[in-house]
Amino acid sequence: DAMVIQNPRYQVTQFGKPVTLSCSQTLNHNVMYWYQQKSSQAPKLLFHYYDKDFNNEADTPDNFQSRRPNTSFCFLDIRSPGLGDAAMYLCATTADRSYEQYFGPGTRLTVT
Amino acid sequence: QKEVEQNSGPLSVPEGAIASLNCTYSDRGSQSFFWYRQYSGKSPELIMSIYSNGDKEDGRFTAQLNKASQYVSLLIRDSQPSDSATYLCAAPLEGSARQLTFGSGTQLTVLP
Repeated sequence: DAMVIQNPRYQVTQFGKPVTLSCSQTLNHNVMYWYQQKSSQAPKLLFHYYDKDFNNEADTPDNFQSRRPNTSFCFLDIRSPGLGDAAMYLCATTADRSYEQYFGPGTRLTVT
Repeated sequence: QKEVEQNSGPLSVPEGAIASLNCTYSDRGSQSFFWYRQYSGKSPELIMSIYSNGDKEDGRFTAQLNKASQYVSLLIRDSQPSDSATYLCAAPLEGSARQLTFGSGTQLTVLP
């Protein structure tokens, strides 16, 4: 089945220790998104890619970086996680000219 | 004004009843709307898309769109305890080609 996969599902990192989250998709969608979601809040868009064209949200902290080496994979790098970065990180994809976004299962990040 | 607003709830209905979830939006130019279901600790799942005024039915779910009044609703008939989740309303972000703006969600509990 075509799907969006995120690894790991749970990640524990120490304060200030870099961490990388990954997302892959078999939908062949050219748009990929990274969201941060905290408890009882709406997903907050961090950035998105249209093909290799990177789009950063204005309020996304510099501590967050992203890479998309090919259509199928996208990575979220948090260079120096703080306690406030503990959240669910969601990857989503959509086909060109569509707004229907399909989410992966998410990665729950804990910062100790 | 937020682009998409929902009553945060919580909303409780007895099993077998109709659950009604409402959402208002500010961008009169929006042409498409989406309902996502999010179980606790899980990622959002797209359950309904609606593009035209009127009703769209899919099983026990009916989405209703009223562009003149700028609201969209989701009705769940014969509610089941398994419908207990947070329901997120989403619409294209004004001025964006491929971003969604999400409401903060309505938490629904279906009581057995």
